[in-house]
Amino acid sequence: GEDVEQSLFLSVREGDSSVINCTYTDSSSTYLYWYKQEPGAGLQLLTYIFSNMDMKQDQRLTVLLNKKDKHLSLRIADTQTGDSAIYFCAADNAGNMLTFGGGTRLMVKP
Amino acid sequence: DGGITQSPKYLFRKEGQNVTLSCEQNLNHDAMYWYRQDPGQGLRLIYYSQIVNDFQKGDIAEGYSVSREKKESFPLTVTSAQKNPTAFYLCASSIPGPTEAFFGQGTRLTVV
Repeated sequence: GEDVEQSLFLSVREGDSSVINCTYTDSSSTYLYWYKQEPGAGLQLLTYIFSNMDMKQDQRLTVLLNKKDKHLSLRIADTQTGDSAIYFCAADNAGNMLTFGGGTRLMVKP
Repeated sequence: DGGITQSPKYLFRKEGQNVTLSCEQNLNHDAMYWYRQDPGQGLRLIYYSQIVNDFQKGDIAEGYSVSREKKESFPLTVTSAQKNPTAFYLCASSIPGPTEAFFGQGTRLTVV
């Protein structure tokens, strides 16, 4: 089955850019997603990218997709303390099920 | 407002008891899912249902059961056969296909 991997932890200073990385294994994944989870809450969709795109920008968020290397990244510009959360990468696979990575905990220091 | 609601937010279970977690959605979504989240880990799929009266096992279905008698509702029962049930449980719904999944706020289950 699909494997989605992320680093566990990222710490940045307020105002810096954050880059969260993700790798996946199923080259047939059609959509790749980034979800945000705040403490004690469910997941909220931040953004997604279709597999035939290289890049998608949405305000402070930039998603880069390297389909050849099966590598996805989420860049958050001008990171704020309110961006502190766990970020999950997810890929769809056969049967249109989502496989989630383990989540990256982003800590933003003032 | 449309959304997906899980209840209760916190649940305590004694060893050997079955408990049922509620998940209700008014988004008219056909597909519903249950995930388990352990500290520092990602989401693992327990069960999913793509249509009423049908459901499939996910990666970690042992010790759990579900029903899907109504489109809006997908309750999860954690049975006494689940040896390590303490976790955060998330329900989600979506239109089948590559699309956004909407998540509930989660239920934290603790065995006491």
